[in-house]
Parts: sequence; C-alpha cells; structure tokens
Amino acid sequence: IAGITQAPTSQILAAGRRMTLRCTQDMRHNAMYWYRQDLGLGLRLIHYSNTAGTTGKGEVPDGYSVSRANTDDFPLTLASAVPSQTSVYFCASSDLTTDTQYFGPGTRLTVL
Amino acid sequence: GQNIDQPTEMTATEGAIVQINCTYQTSGFNGLFWYQQHAGEAPTFLSYNVLDGLEEKGRFSSFLSRSKGYSYLLLKELQMKDSASYLCAVRDSNYQLIWGAGTKLIIKP
Repeated sequence: IAGITQAPTSQILAAGRRMTLRCTQDMRHNAMYWYRQDLGLGLRLIHYSNTAGTTGKGEVPDGYSVSRANTDDFPLTLASAVPSQTSVYFCASSDLTTDTQYFGPGTRLTVL
Repeated sequence: GQNIDQPTEMTATEGAIVQINCTYQTSGFNGLFWYQQHAGEAPTFLSYNVLDGLEEKGRFSSFLSRSKGYSYLLLKELQMKDSASYLCAVRDSNYQLIWGAGTKLIIKP
C-alpha cells in the first residue's frame, strides 16, 4: 500500500452500536489526525496523535476515542453511536517537519 | 473565537482566471494552507504560505498578507477538471489546523 488507507469505505449503523473506523499509513509519519466533514462546515478535528503512544483531543472529541499503539495505525472508536455522528470521516497524517497533512479516502458513516 | 471565511460558491469560465479569497481570525498564525477537494474525494494539498507574498506553482498561485489576515488562491487557464471545492486552513498558535468551510468552484465551458 502507499499513502493512507481507511476502512470501511461506508457504513450504516444502528444508534447505540459500537463502531471502529480503521486508518493505516505507510509513510512513517509521526502525526495522525481524525476529522469529520459535514455539509456547510469546515473539517473539524476530533482527535490527534503527535507520535505513537500519545493522543490529544481536538475541537469535537465527545463520543469518540482513539489509540496509537504504533506509528502506522490510528483507529477511531464510537462507543455508542448517535445520529449526530452521521458524517464523512477523514484520517490524515503529517511529517512533523513540514506539517503538510495527507488525507485518506474517507469513511461515510450513517447512524440511524 | 477562531474564524476562517471563504465564499461559499464561485462560477468561472473555462480558460479564464479566478481568485478565491480567504480571511482569517485565529489565535496565532503559523502558516496557511490551500487544499483542493473534488466531490466525494479526500482533500489534496495545493500550497503553503507562511511569509507575506506570492507563491507560484504552475497554474496555481497563493498570496498571503499576515497584517490583513488575508490570503487568496489564483487559478489561471481554468480547466474543467478544476471544478472542485477549495479549502483554506490556518495553523494556529497550538499548531492545529483551523479549516474554512470551503469554496465550491464551478467551471462552465
């Protein structure tokens, strides 16, 4: 693989269910990010990780959790999904020296 | 609060030039990014400005005035494939990116 991959591509989920969105990068970037993108709004940062073993909260962290066990993987978990979490979710990574962020293809999540 | 303003939508003609403006009010400034996003796809990096002035990259140029809190993206010789949303983002004092809602650019033949 080259770049960033996300899985699944899309998902329909019943409210109250647990869901993990997967993100893997092979660029050896230190920093990784999770955003949500909603119509009419800018990308909003959910959680980030500057390096393996550390994570931080972004602008809209409530209802989401992340882990960063290694450099390549940065999964996002919705513990109990709610309809307001219906969105397109993008994972991104960056090299801390340039800080240019590179995005995965996104996961379209619908919570009913 | 932090704020990034861009026009919601713009229309231009194939072959022409278009300028997309971005104004920002953020807690600190550590650089401004422009990204392109085609419908249903991920954002892709276009340009980065940290000092005042114009950065040129092929048909695309980006300008920054830090004193005015202002940037623009200039697209020349427009092609149909340039139809996309253009996102402005500012890196704040915490080195987090603050994103504008994007400008949808429609190119007409």
